[in-house]
Amino acid sequence: EVQLQESGPGLVKPSQSLSLTCSVTGYSITSNYWGWIRKFPGNKMEWMGYISYSGSTSYNPSLKSRISITRDTSKNQFFLQLNSVTTEDTATYYCARSGVRRVGDYWGQGVMVTVSS
Amino acid sequence: DIQMTQSPSFLSASVGDRVTLSCKASQNINKYLAWYQQKLGEAPKLLIYNANSLQTGIPSRFSGSGSGTDFTLTISSLQPEDVATYFCLQHNSWRTFGGGTKLELK
Repeated sequence: EVQLQESGPGLVKPSQSLSLTCSVTGYSITSNYWGWIRKFPGNKMEWMGYISYSGSTSYNPSLKSRISITRDTSKNQFFLQLNSVTTEDTATYYCARSGVRRVGDYWGQGVMVTVSS
Repeated sequence: DIQMTQSPSFLSASVGDRVTLSCKASQNINKYLAWYQQKLGEAPKLLIYNANSLQTGIPSRFSGSGSGTDFTLTISSLQPEDVATYFCLQHNSWRTFGGGTKLELK
């Protein structure tokens, strides 16, 4: 069974970088697409970006200057880095798998990140 | 940017009711639309992909329809376990979520 699990600090200070890890079991990240999504307080959701089976990346244009998604295939993990965070980046962050047609067919449970001094 | 508008934002219905949720795109997205269910404290679950294809393991009371700009998620007979928030997502041009419909039991 495909399982995803997010991990990382729950509290980040403004202007610092937010770094999260998604650990995948039951499926290789060298297949399919692997993305980061966040849900803000108030329920708005945003697809932040993804990394493909080949390692290529695609980012939400609204985040392009601040976001980086990388991976470690030896550990079957992929990572999110979001730079220069503000309180508006406070959200629950999810990682998810996508196929060509089935976008977001497996999700992690999410990790809540608060940006506060 | 493509905007996705879901309606209603909130819906109260009885067990056994036929429930219809709407999602409208600000421009043509062909059939590149997915529906998700999210229960409180849980991860989103994919229900429908490509506007009308039922994801494996999802009960057949869920169905999706539409193409272009207007889409519908229908629950043919509402069950207590369907209480959740439902989101649509377009993936024709990048990816944009709708604002969600919160479904509760009357």
